[in-house]
Amino acid sequence: DTGVSQNPRHKITKRGQNVTFRCDPISEHNRLYWYRQTLGQGPEFLTYFQNEAQLEKSRLLSDRFSAERPKGSFSTLEIQRTEQGDSAMYLCASSQDGFNQPQHFGDGTRLSIL
Amino acid sequence: AQSVTQLGSHVSVSEGALVLLRCNYSSSVPPYLFWYVQYPNQGLQLLLKYTSAATLVKGINGFEAEFKKSETSFHLTKPSAHMSDAAEYFCAVSDQSGGSYIPTFGRGTSLIVHP
Repeated sequence: DTGVSQNPRHKITKRGQNVTFRCDPISEHNRLYWYRQTLGQGPEFLTYFQNEAQLEKSRLLSDRFSAERPKGSFSTLEIQRTEQGDSAMYLCASSQDGFNQPQHFGDGTRLSIL
Repeated sequence: AQSVTQLGSHVSVSEGALVLLRCNYSSSVPPYLFWYVQYPNQGLQLLLKYTSAATLVKGINGFEAEFKKSETSFHLTKPSAHMSDAAEYFCAVSDQSGGSYIPTFGRGTSLIVHP
């Protein structure tokens, strides 16, 4: 168990640029989640994959956000035309099947929009 | 629909004192409950989970939590706080209502430990 890995750890970009984050889940976990977290708040759900299928997306997720999980392994989260309000910590988590299974989180990617 | 309320955005204790972090949940079906800890610039780490077995759950780092159905609570406790316990703590609930696999997180409680 090498844990959930996220890259990069930090990303600084100018408003209007596109950014892409990568998440490598624990290998035997078929569920993968993306969350956004701002200061003083809990994780806010963005989207969820079961293997390669994207099964749920938050209604808060604008069209500028897209996520993929090709072949059910790693996942990428892309934000197009970044805005100031996109500045946050983006967390990835993975888990095994089952409502009683805890999530294993990566250390996140901190995005700062200049 | 499931929801979580964490009372108190900040809790301050002295080193060696009892730690009590409150979590109340709302769920239409038997819930699964989790406590996570987050240190600065890190992801969340599981402390403990309740999955309908024993109502008193023991976790890592000396923490434990008791599931009380009548009070819809799952408060986190530790008998004696240590400086290293200073962190953000999140309660989360997951249940099978609506078929969603998405856990709901509380807003978190920041634990401050004074020497």
